[in-house]
Amino acid sequence: SAVISQKPSRDICQRGTSLTIQCQVDSQVTMMFWYRQQPGQSLTLIATANQGSEATYESGFVIDKFPISRPNLTFSTLTVSNMSPEDSSIYLCSVAGLAYTFYNEQFFGPGTRLTVL
Amino acid sequence: QQQVKQSPQSLIVQKGGIPIINCAYENTAFDYFPWYQQFPGKGPALLIAIRPDVSEKKEGRFTISFNKSAKQFSLHIMDSQPGDSATYFCAASSSAGGTSYGKLTFGQGTILTVHP
Repeated sequence: SAVISQKPSRDICQRGTSLTIQCQVDSQVTMMFWYRQQPGQSLTLIATANQGSEATYESGFVIDKFPISRPNLTFSTLTVSNMSPEDSSIYLCSVAGLAYTFYNEQFFGPGTRLTVL
Repeated sequence: QQQVKQSPQSLIVQKGGIPIINCAYENTAFDYFPWYQQFPGKGPALLIAIRPDVSEKKEGRFTISFNKSAKQFSLHIMDSQPGDSATYFCAASSSAGGTSYGKLTFGQGTILTVHP
């Protein structure tokens, strides 16, 4: 697997503000994904971060609310915009397509715990 | 059709017991079935995975059983230990092309508690 880091690890934010979460991998990967995990719940895919092009969003998630960038094969950001308390969740990035792994094996970062007041 | 249904929601066993967690899916395009283990405050960790060309896979104390005709798969933890206490998620994905490629669909999760 690879070393996946996320920044920040946690944050407390005010309603109406925005937060950008970074995901860094120590080796090149084919695919990067962003998930949301609400307290005590399962993981829900937000979008696939595409290198050099617009992200592909899942139903219920829109670019204006969750803009995503992926400038290269090792880095991606997710912004949670105009936050409300309902955005309080753990946000996780995952990667797939690492060298020496099966193409669809996904590995997760440690997550960013976001609390919106 | 994209759902993966996981049961039970929670499970309590004694040390040395064999907890079994079950998952069922509907999408016949799914061809990769991983299990993840998540400790509080951590990201999910890939535990073991299976593809539909085999009916069972074992890695250490963890075994996946797969029934393609029933569209079900399960995780067995042999000789369970208190350190196995965590939340376990099953998932499924498809290697078919298009927008679904590689995306994981997760089950609802099972909170496992192993008592000493």
